[in-house]
Amino acid sequence: AQTVTQSQPEMSVQEAETVTLSCTYDTSESDYYLFWYKQPPSRQMILVIRQEAYKQQNATENRFSVNFQKAAKSFSLKISDSQLGDAAMYFCAYNMNRDDKIIFGKGTRLHILP
Amino acid sequence: GAVVSQHPSRVICKSGTSVKIECRSLDFQATTMFWYRQFPKQSLMLMATSNEGSKATYEQGVEKDKFLINHASLTLSTLTVTSAHPEDSSFYICSARTSQSFGNEQFFGPGTRLTVL
Repeated sequence: AQTVTQSQPEMSVQEAETVTLSCTYDTSESDYYLFWYKQPPSRQMILVIRQEAYKQQNATENRFSVNFQKAAKSFSLKISDSQLGDAAMYFCAYNMNRDDKIIFGKGTRLHILP
Repeated sequence: GAVVSQHPSRVICKSGTSVKIECRSLDFQATTMFWYRQFPKQSLMLMATSNEGSKATYEQGVEKDKFLINHASLTLSTLTVTSAHPEDSSFYICSARTSQSFGNEQFFGPGTRLTVL
């Protein structure tokens, strides 16, 4: 069965600094998608970034980028120039291409220190 | 685009009553909708997957007679918590995807907080 592991329950970073959130996953599939979702205090889930497993190039979205290591089954999220609005719960998630289910990690709560 | 709404956002009910939560895709047709449950400070737990016009597929351990899901149209799915008890108090989130969803992306509703007294 596929699993997603986030080993950092909480992290803190100084405003304007860079922080990296870790995520590892386990799968025997070769075709799948990986996501990072943000859940702010409003509880609304927001897609931050998405990576297709068949793409070697790491996805980037403005200040957010990933380090996708397929062989190591690692998918970390780097947030550059951290802002107060980045404070939230971040969930790493996995989705197999032919299966609709999204499997979520347990989340990392990110605190931004002013 | 790709907005999902939920109603109500908060509901308080007495033990033993039933509560219905609606999930709507406002600007797209949702071929598949998902219902999640989230306990405080925990991750999302998938409860069931529903496709329009067919019976929902429940995850292991989820009581289908207690959590009734109806996906009557391509824009509406409902979750009814029957004979609610205090242990059913939780945050319920729905999501939806279309056949055109890029990368199997799901669009999430804002959630419903259920409190059973």
